[in-house]
Amino acid sequence: EADIYQTPRYLVIGTGKKITLECSQTMGHDKMYWYQQDPGMELHLIHYSYGVNSTEKGDLSSESTVSRIRTEHFPLTLESARPSHTSQYLCASSGGITSTDTQYFGPGTRLTVL
Amino acid sequence: AQSVSQHNHHVILSEAASLELGCNYSYGGTVNLFWYVQYPGQHLQLLLKYFSGDPLVKGIKGFEAEFIKSKFSFNLRKPSVQWSDTAEYFCAVRGSGGSNYKLTFGKGTLLTVNP
Repeated sequence: EADIYQTPRYLVIGTGKKITLECSQTMGHDKMYWYQQDPGMELHLIHYSYGVNSTEKGDLSSESTVSRIRTEHFPLTLESARPSHTSQYLCASSGGITSTDTQYFGPGTRLTVL
Repeated sequence: AQSVSQHNHHVILSEAASLELGCNYSYGGTVNLFWYVQYPGQHLQLLLKYFSGDPLVKGIKGFEAEFIKSKFSFNLRKPSVQWSDTAEYFCAVRGSGGSNYKLTFGKGTLLTVNP
């Protein structure tokens, strides 16, 4: 199973601040994902990457941006946080071919914007 | 577009009761199916998965799921639940083949098991 790390686990910040949520994996997976999850709701894919220097927007529109400069690292940035960004952010990675690919998840970052 | 429906928002059972959580998906082609579990305070973990072959899939901790293609369903079952099974359960689907690796999740079912 993949080892995926997310920092910070909890973050409370004021409106207008720039934040970066960190995600790293140690399994050498080529694919990484960011999901947004609100209580009682499904996970929504907001960004994904199938390899270094490759990023795509997901199904849910998000004002955040991502980068993939190294295989193991997939940070998410909000240039100016707003209360509407309050949510849980989950990072995942996978490394198989489509017929066997399985995503493994990190512990999540719970973000509160005041 | 693919979608997933989990019919039960909150299920409450007593220990030793049998469990069945419903999951139906909407997708026009071949699918891969997953059940994930999130225990209180823990990260999302893979419970079991179906890619092909035997439609009855066994996972960890005594869980199993059956893929019924004609019903577009992938229900999760456990014959006898324990208090430690209290968690939120998510069903997910992905169209297989091609270069699609994206998962679509259901809204989750919260399972509470009373001792």
